[in-house]
Formats: sequence, structure tokens, C-alpha cells
Amino acid sequence: KQEVTQIPAALSVPEGENLVLNCSFTDSAIYNLQWFRQDPGKGLTSLLLIQSSQREQTSGRLNASLDKSSGRSTLYIAASQPGDSATYLCAVLSGTYKYIFGTGTRLKVLA
Amino acid sequence: EAGVAQSPRYKIIEKRQSVAFWCNPISGHATLYWYQQILGQGPKLLIQFQNNGVVDDSQLPKDRFSAERLKGVDSTLKIQPAKLEDSAVYLCASSHLNYQETQYFGPGTRLLVL
Repeated sequence: KQEVTQIPAALSVPEGENLVLNCSFTDSAIYNLQWFRQDPGKGLTSLLLIQSSQREQTSGRLNASLDKSSGRSTLYIAASQPGDSATYLCAVLSGTYKYIFGTGTRLKVLA
Repeated sequence: EAGVAQSPRYKIIEKRQSVAFWCNPISGHATLYWYQQILGQGPKLLIQFQNNGVVDDSQLPKDRFSAERLKGVDSTLKIQPAKLEDSAVYLCASSHLNYQETQYFGPGTRLLVL
């Protein structure tokens, strides 16, 4: 059974800092992995989708990496801004053909 | 391009009452998903439709939850009767073709069962 863990559960950093969010999964046989952002009271916004054959994806200040063999993904945010404050969720698509989500990392960027 | 629409945004009911949620996916998206997100947890898939057929409903509590997607477009999710533990945000999402593509989420319906 696929399980997804995100550490840390919460993170507070000063503006301008580079930061890394972690996601680990127990079954390495995945189809893809997505990182989402969720703002309070709102739905999820897909940030990056990494296919199983890829090692990383980049979008602006965001870079996501995938290491299937170790069951890990990281989301790197460069030069963080207060507007980046949100909950970041990773989700893994594996054998059951449905996304299994982690519990998220609540990020607060202080001005 | 309009996003995924959901209504109502908020609903408060008493236990044992019934409630229904509505979702309108992005135009042309074949796949529609309903998720349940309990406070402090990640979303959990309840049911997935491909056009108007059910692909996966293995985590849907079928004794009280039901869902339909008429004509392969709009969808409704119903709970009857509601229990306290059903308090959660119900998220609808859609993707163009299938589960391997980016999912686009609606704003969700926040349900409180008293």
C-alpha cells in the first residue's frame, strides 16, 4: 500500500531564503508525482508534474526533483516571497491509478 | 478558460440530514474526480468518472454516499444520511483525458455536520 509522507509539517522562513520541501513514498513503482499548492479556503493548484521517466521539472522559481529508487521528491523554492505562503502537497500516482496525497507542508514566508 | 466550478461553497447540516454538492468541470475534460479532504490531511479520492462511467469508487462509502455524472459533464455528490465524521472539504477536479494528466481543482465545498 502506497504511503506518502511530507516533512516538515510546517515551516517558517524569512523572505528571500531558498528552501526545500520533502516528500517520500513507500512504493517506488509510480507513474508520476505532482506537487500542488493549496491556499486557505481554496482548492489545489498543480505546480509541477514529474513523469516517472523524468528526474526533474522546473517552473520559474520552482524546481522539483524525483528519485524513484529512494522514494523521494523535493520541491525547491528559490528566493521565497510572502506570496509563497501556502500549504504544499505532493501526490503520487501508482498502481491503483489514483493519486495518494501527503498531508502537506504549511509554509509561511515572513516579510 | 473557465475553471472547475463547485457549489455551494459552504454547507452546515445536522447529522442524519442529506446534502448534495454540484461540480461543473472544465469544458472538454473527460475525467472528473471527487475528493474528500479532512482537516489536516491530504485529499482522498472518493470516485473517478471517465465521461459518464465510473472508473474507481473503491473508497466511496456506498451505504451513504452516491455520485453521478449525467451526460459526461456536470456531476453531483450526495450524502444521505450525514454523519459527524463527514465534516470535510469536498473537492472536485477534472483532467483532459485521464488520470496521468494534470488535474485542475475547484474551490471545494466546506461541509460541517453538527
